[in-house]
Amino acid sequence: GQQLNQSPQSMFIQEGEDVSMNCTSSSIFNTWLWYKQEPGEGPVLLIALYKAGELTSNGRLTAQFGITRKDSFLNISASIPSDVGIYFCAGPDYGGSQGNLIFGKGTKLSVKP
Amino acid sequence: NAGVTQTPKFRILKIGQSMTLQCTQDMNHNYMYWYRQDPGMGLKLIYYSVGAGITDKGEVPNGYNVSRSTTEDFPLRLELAAPSQTSVYFCASSYSKDLTFGAGSRLTVL
Repeated sequence: GQQLNQSPQSMFIQEGEDVSMNCTSSSIFNTWLWYKQEPGEGPVLLIALYKAGELTSNGRLTAQFGITRKDSFLNISASIPSDVGIYFCAGPDYGGSQGNLIFGKGTKLSVKP
Repeated sequence: NAGVTQTPKFRILKIGQSMTLQCTQDMNHNYMYWYRQDPGMGLKLIYYSVGAGITDKGEVPNGYNVSRSTTEDFPLRLELAAPSQTSVYFCASSYSKDLTFGAGSRLTVL
């Protein structure tokens, strides 16, 4: 079935540094979504990508929909302590539950002040 | 606009007890979902619903039941709690492709 592989699993960075994380799949996706989950909360949508090659920004966050449609990247510039959390990529579950999303296992980000 | 509301936020159960996790949304979304999240494992779909009166199994439905009598509510029932059901449970709803999540319900079975 479809699977999303996220890397790295975790990151420990200094405040002010830039962050890059990615999500890959053996299957083609027509939509990529990036969510952030803060401690004790549910995931919140950050960026949605709908077209191969698309580059979309949301403040200090930039995400790209890979040309092959099998990958996506999320970059955070000039990280701050409130960027701490788990970042999930997600895509539609074409082979399974209608309307459902497949989620990667997440990249856990820690930021040292 | 409350979004997706889950109750309770925390609960401890004894093995064999039953309980219902409540979920309600005020966005008139047709799709609703229940996920469980275990450390380092991402989100796994338990059950979902595409509209009132329609429910279907997700990836990990064993030990759970759901109902969808109204558009707004999608309760998740555990009939015979087991330690393997210790997890954080998230309810979500959607109109199309992106999901809106509740804040989660942390369940511990001892």
